[in-house]
Parts: sequence; C-alpha cells; structure tokens
Amino acid sequence: DIVMTQTPLSSPVTLGQPASISCRSSQSLVHTDGNTYLSWLQQRPGQPPRLLIYKISNRFSGVPDRFSGSGAGTDFTLKISRVEAEDVGIYYCTQATQFPYTFGQGTKLEI
Amino acid sequence: QVHLVESGGGVVQPGRSLRLSCAASGFTFSSYGMHWVRQTPGKGLEWVAVIWYDGSNEYYADSVKGRFTISRDNSKNTLYLQMNSLRAEDTAVYYCARALAVGGIGVDYWGQGILVTVSS
Repeated sequence: DIVMTQTPLSSPVTLGQPASISCRSSQSLVHTDGNTYLSWLQQRPGQPPRLLIYKISNRFSGVPDRFSGSGAGTDFTLKISRVEAEDVGIYYCTQATQFPYTFGQGTKLEI
Repeated sequence: QVHLVESGGGVVQPGRSLRLSCAASGFTFSSYGMHWVRQTPGKGLEWVAVIWYDGSNEYYADSVKGRFTISRDNSKNTLYLQMNSLRAEDTAVYYCARALAVGGIGVDYWGQGILVTVSS
C-alpha cells in the first residue's frame, strides 16, 4: 500500500496569514495514464470530509481560490494564501493512483 | 445538488452482520462508481471498497476482504455495504462517497456518515 505522510500534524495559524501543509507519498503517484491522482480534503469539526483539490492542483467546485495545490511525483503541498476562521479543521491528502486508496494522518489547522 | 444519505448503522455484537445503505440523489447514480470509506479516531480515514458504475467490478481493502460485500441497485439509486463477521476493529463512522466526476478516479462528494459500533 502507498503510505501518505503529512507534515506538520498540527499548525497554529494567524487569521489573514498564509498556511502550508506538506504531503509525501511512499512511491510515485503518477498513474499509468499519466495523471497524478493526489487530492486534498478538508474536514471541519463534526462534518464529513470535503474535496478541495484533485489531481494535485485542480480546485473542486465552490472551493475558494485562496486554496491551491502543487507538487509532483511524491511531494505535494496545499497552500492557503490567507487563512480565514472557517478554514479551521483537519486537512488530509489522499491518493487514488492505486487501490487501496490511502490517506495521510491529517493536519489540524488551528487559529 | 448531490446528496448522499447513509443508514443502517448501530450497535452490533462481534461476529454478527449489518447492512449499510446509501441513498443517492441529485445526479445520475447509474453513471458513477461509488465508494465506502470509514473513519476512526485511532486509524483516521480508511478506504473500504469501490464498485463500478454498472456493478461489473469491485475492489476491497485487505482488512475487510471476504467479510464485506459492496453492491448497488441502480433502479433504486442505492449503494449497499453488507458487513459480516464484524469485529471490534470495524467500529467506525462509515461514509459513502461518489467517484470523482472528472475521470472517475478519486472521490468527490461524501455523505454525512453513519456510526457502526461493534461491541458485546
């Protein structure tokens, strides 16, 4: 199975300031079709996960443009340009390049 | 809009069975693969199973293979997870999730989740 490792596990942030979360996979996430199926999820307290970013850098429907994703191969980053209060929660990276899909441990974003 | 509602959870004794359902609406259910994912405080998010849009293929996590069966009824817009020989470590919130609309690999929308507790 592909192991997903996130850093940091906890990130105190200041409103209006940027934040960044890293994710590393134990093997390349480049699929045989040439795409890289790395996504980022947000889970607010008491809510199910919500898709933010798919295929490294594509924002999902309704996701604010302060969220951006980057990376390639085994190293990926989620950036929030200016943190807002509603961004509090746990962020997960996840890979869908091969079964079983796997998830990072989660990074808790705290104001 | 896309709506996924899980049901069928509860408390069950080890070794017993339970069937989860996921009612889908707001999209053409028969055109999408569907997944089950579970979450525990200790192990985090764990992918459980996937079924192709037409039911022609299924994949399972090793931890549930041979005990859980994913199925669907496209005429009822409903996804199922039959869970047999339940163990304490199957205790989790179970989510159904839709395969990503763009390309079908990955997931996009998630249900609210349903709690399954395996305990004597």
